[in-house]
Amino acid sequence: EDQVTQSPEALRLQEGESSSLNCSYTVSGLRGLFWYRQDPGKGPEFLFTLYSAGEEKEKERLKATLTKKESFLHITAPKPEDSATYLCAGISGGGADGLTFGKGTHLIIQP
Amino acid sequence: ETGVTQTPRHLVMGMTNKKSLKCEQHLGHNAMYWYKQSAKKPLELMFVYSLEERVENNSVPSRFSPECPNSSHLFLHLHTLQPEDSALYLCASSQSRSAYSGNTIYFGEGSWLTVV
Repeated sequence: EDQVTQSPEALRLQEGESSSLNCSYTVSGLRGLFWYRQDPGKGPEFLFTLYSAGEEKEKERLKATLTKKESFLHITAPKPEDSATYLCAGISGGGADGLTFGKGTHLIIQP
Repeated sequence: ETGVTQTPRHLVMGMTNKKSLKCEQHLGHNAMYWYKQSAKKPLELMFVYSLEERVENNSVPSRFSPECPNSSHLFLHLHTLQPEDSALYLCASSQSRSAYSGNTIYFGEGSWLTVV
């Protein structure tokens, strides 16, 4: 059974304090690892897709990396507006019917 | 205008009511999805449609009935729901349902459902 586990469940940082969120996965024949941002009361907003180990993608203060077993979302010098829940999801090469999601990391950036 | 639009945004219904959630995508995609998001649980895939053909998730109770009249519209018909069905229901779409590079799934804002 495909599984995606995110840690920590919640993280509180001071503004400017860099950190990383972890996503470990056991997805058969992983074809893509996705990161989404979700604000309260809204739908997930697409951030990145990573397809192969060693791949990295960046967007503003966020950088996502992928290894054979896990992905990291690095947040550099975060600002309060980066506060959100960050969701990780994988899509397998087998079923191809939608994404398998983790529970998310609730990130709070304090001014 | 967002790529995936859901209505209503909020819905309160009794256990004996019949209601429907509507989703429309403006992205020219061929696959559409319904996901359920409950507190403290990962998003759960409910149904997938590809070119108006349904791929059913057998674990979804029959009180949830999807309908896809064309590739741009998706409905979720609700009947005799239970309080535990209260959740955020998210519609999503992608170019296709195939897991190939570049097939990003985009979400709508969701419909908050409360069953009383």
